[in-house]
Amino acid sequence: EAQVTQNPRYLITVTGKKLTVTCSQNMNHEYMSWYRQDPGLGLRQIYYSMNVEVTDKGDVPEGYKVSRKEKRNFPLILESPSPNQTSLYFCASSLTVTGGVGYTFGSGTRLTVV
Amino acid sequence: AQSVAQPEDQVNVAEGNPLTVKCTYSVSGNPYLFWYVQYPNRGLQFLLKYITGDNLVKGSYGFEAEFNKSQTSFHLKKPSALVSDSALYFCAVSGSNDYKLSFGAGTTVTVRA
Repeated sequence: EAQVTQNPRYLITVTGKKLTVTCSQNMNHEYMSWYRQDPGLGLRQIYYSMNVEVTDKGDVPEGYKVSRKEKRNFPLILESPSPNQTSLYFCASSLTVTGGVGYTFGSGTRLTVV
Repeated sequence: AQSVAQPEDQVNVAEGNPLTVKCTYSVSGNPYLFWYVQYPNRGLQFLLKYITGDNLVKGSYGFEAEFNKSQTSFHLKKPSALVSDSALYFCAVSGSNDYKLSFGAGTTVTVRA
């Protein structure tokens, strides 16, 4: 089944403890992206990647890192999480980098930082 | 910079009545427009998209959307709403020169029996 898989689904952590949220897609998609969803703000892009070893900042990159060493994986790294990073996170992928194709989304990761 | 506005935080309708969720956008060049739906504790599911061609686009679950270039709008519609349509709906846009997908804040639809 074609899908984007995120892990974990739920995570509670403490301020300052490094964490990684994994994202993997099995569709050979070039483009991958991370979003965070907050009430009243919709989805805001954190980072995106156009292909292996090509990543760039989205609208809200502060406090996050990403890497794209393989086409299928695009992990989101929080080096020192803070409470304002408590949010619902989505990974998404798209077949190409050109517009109009649309995204496939993962099921989301609900992160709480205390 | 591209942007999407969903002017209504909430839409409430009775089952069987028409449902409309509004969306306006701003983008450079030709727009690519999308609607996604999110059910509680789930990811976003694709409903429909407009790339080019007919201004009326038909999608999943009986939904359709009308592209209006002069009004820069892409309203989502369903002729007869179901209780199961209750969810959070997002409009999104990308430009022909930009692969980034920008989302609106979302509209919560509640369909009462």
